Amino acid sequence: SQQGEEDPQALSIQEGENATMNCSYKTSINNLQWYRQNSGRGLVHLILIRSNEREKHSGRLRVTLDTSKKSSSLLITASRAADTASYFCATDNYGQNFVFGPGTRLSVLP
Amino acid sequence: EAQVTQNPRYLITVTGKKLTVTCSQNMNHEYMSWYRQDPGLGLRQIYYSMNVEVTDKGDVPEGYKVSRKEKRNFPLILESPSPNQTSLYFCASSLSRAGRTEAFFGQGTRLTVV
Repeated sequence: SQQGEEDPQALSIQEGENATMNCSYKTSINNLQWYRQNSGRGLVHLILIRSNEREKHSGRLRVTLDTSKKSSSLLITASRAADTASYFCATDNYGQNFVFGPGTRLSVLP
Repeated sequence: EAQVTQNPRYLITVTGKKLTVTCSQNMNHEYMSWYRQDPGLGLRQIYYSMNVEVTDKGDVPEGYKVSRKEKRNFPLILESPSPNQTSLYFCASSLSRAGRTEAFFGQGTRLTVV
């Protein structure tokens, strides 16, 4: 069962611009995580935000969580070519499954 | 270095020929899981394990088996592979059950069944 849905599916921006990706989910969650995947490689954890948190920062990343709207956003500021990757949100809905969305493909053009 | 190691990275096999993809983690994590990734479908969980000798089905378990005899290892077994199991497979581990803490992923195994 797919819980998270990222939006947009694909995003192209110029280096230096900000990139915003959104994630919507359907059921109550314990926390939400964002991961990055470089082409065909393993996923790398970026940030975890708990259901009682509204915003979290890590370097150039800013994640927000709105549990009333069942949505989260990932903002990457001052993007670099190396940020080109797919980004996934994953939700912990109190079960044993860790459910990923289909991802947003970000292309940062030099 | 903390890591999850999968082998092999690439595998081409024929329909019906049993195969095993190994997964090993060096972080003493309790929770391990297997995912498959297909275009447009994201990652779907195949099986997971909460600890040694404790395994359970994920969303797409048909055609797969797993075992957890040691804490560090969680092999994925395809007893009779079929072409619809052609996919990119990832093993992951985390300190506690899914989603509570960050998951560490292996580099992936690209499997082609002809």
